[in-house]
Amino acid sequence: SSELTQDPAVSVALGQTLRLTCQGDSLRTYYASWYQQKPGQAPVLVLYGKNNRPSGIPDRFSGSTSGNIASLTITGAQAEDEADYYCHSRDSDSTHVVFGGGTKVTVL
Amino acid sequence: QVQLQESGPGLVKPSETLSLTCTVSGGSIGGYYWSWIRQPPGKGLEWIGYIYSSGTTNYNPSLKSRVSISLDKSENQFSLKLNSVTAADTAVYYCAGEWLTLFSGSYYYYMDVWGKGTTVTVSS
Repeated sequence: SSELTQDPAVSVALGQTLRLTCQGDSLRTYYASWYQQKPGQAPVLVLYGKNNRPSGIPDRFSGSTSGNIASLTITGAQAEDEADYYCHSRDSDSTHVVFGGGTKVTVL
Repeated sequence: QVQLQESGPGLVKPSETLSLTCTVSGGSIGGYYWSWIRQPPGKGLEWIGYIYSSGTTNYNPSLKSRVSISLDKSENQFSLKLNSVTAADTAVYYCAGEWLTLFSGSYYYYMDVWGKGTTVTVSS
């Protein structure tokens, strides 16, 4: 099994840039995907693979990976970006799904 | 566009079995890893297990002894059974579809389709 570690909470001023990180050994093998979850709603995929956004996700969301750390960057954070963000991948032998503990993002 | 809908009892008694079904509409059940994921109140996402469209299953080691996931291709549904429930199993339960892509020599897993979630409370 494998774990993914995220910072519990971060805050950003409106319009500024925010970088969320997700660390885990399995990220050396598999790219992370990232999900945004607002209160009372299901998670929504915002980024996957090397740096791929599903249709409808604004281009202020971008991603990168270096070693065992995946990053989600929000360039010019908006009020509507305030949410919980989770990273996801597989463990190193690909048999189990793993989620990070989530990061609560506050836009000031 | 594939859509998912969870269904099942919202209240389950302690020691009984929690049973949920996820109905897949708007597309084929083939090719996806179909997962159940839960979220206890105020907490993060916890993967329960998945079933691949071939019928292969894998479960979270922490729940493996109590979990079973099955697939009904004729009904385009997959189901979760979690037995011997306690209050700790109270959560919002989501079904989701995970897709695997190989691109430029790298594997991408991502969950691009989710149900809205259903709340299950374990209480007598």
